[in-house]
Amino acid sequence: DGGITQSPKYLFRKEGQNVTLSCEQNLNHDAMYWYRQDPGQGLRLIYYSQIVNDFQKGDIAEGYSVSREKKESFPLTVTSAQKNPTAFYLCASSMGDRGAGELFFGEGSRLTVL
Amino acid sequence: QKEVEQNSGPLSVPEGAIASLNCTYSDRVSQSFFWYRQYSGKSPELIMSIYSNGDKEDGRFTAQLNKASQYVSLLIRDSQPSDSATYLCAVILYNNNDMRFGAGTRLTVKP
Repeated sequence: DGGITQSPKYLFRKEGQNVTLSCEQNLNHDAMYWYRQDPGQGLRLIYYSQIVNDFQKGDIAEGYSVSREKKESFPLTVTSAQKNPTAFYLCASSMGDRGAGELFFGEGSRLTVL
Repeated sequence: QKEVEQNSGPLSVPEGAIASLNCTYSDRVSQSFFWYRQYSGKSPELIMSIYSNGDKEDGRFTAQLNKASQYVSLLIRDSQPSDSATYLCAVILYNNNDMRFGAGTRLTVKP
């Protein structure tokens, strides 16, 4: 079945640690995205990538980093520089260019800082 | 003004009633509009997209778009308890192709 797989679903981190969230898609989509969701707020864009080896900052990129070495994979690293990383992280993909249409989401990763 | 605004609710309707969810947006030339449903602790799933003024129906769901008023709505007919979720309105901004989300409206359908 085609889809987007995020792992892990739940992750606990101590302050000062970097963590990496995995996102893999087999939909053959060009564009991939990382969003952050906090309670009572809409989704906010962290980073997006339209092609391999290229990515752009979204609205809240500070304290995060990404890579896009393969079309299928778009991992997100939450660094110790992110002041308030506890949140629900969503990876998404879309056919064609950014803005072309609907987003398909993975199941999400919930990060808690202890 | 936020780019996409929704009433956060919660909106409570009895089973079988019509639920009406509303969304306004600030970018006058936006062309693409979406409604996503998100169950608690889960990821959003697309339920409707609409691109032209007027109504678009899909089963029990109807999306309505009024570009002059910068307003998009979602009607759910014959509401079921399984429709209880948060509904996110999303708009693709014309100037930069960003998809912007509203904060969502929490709907509860009571049996």
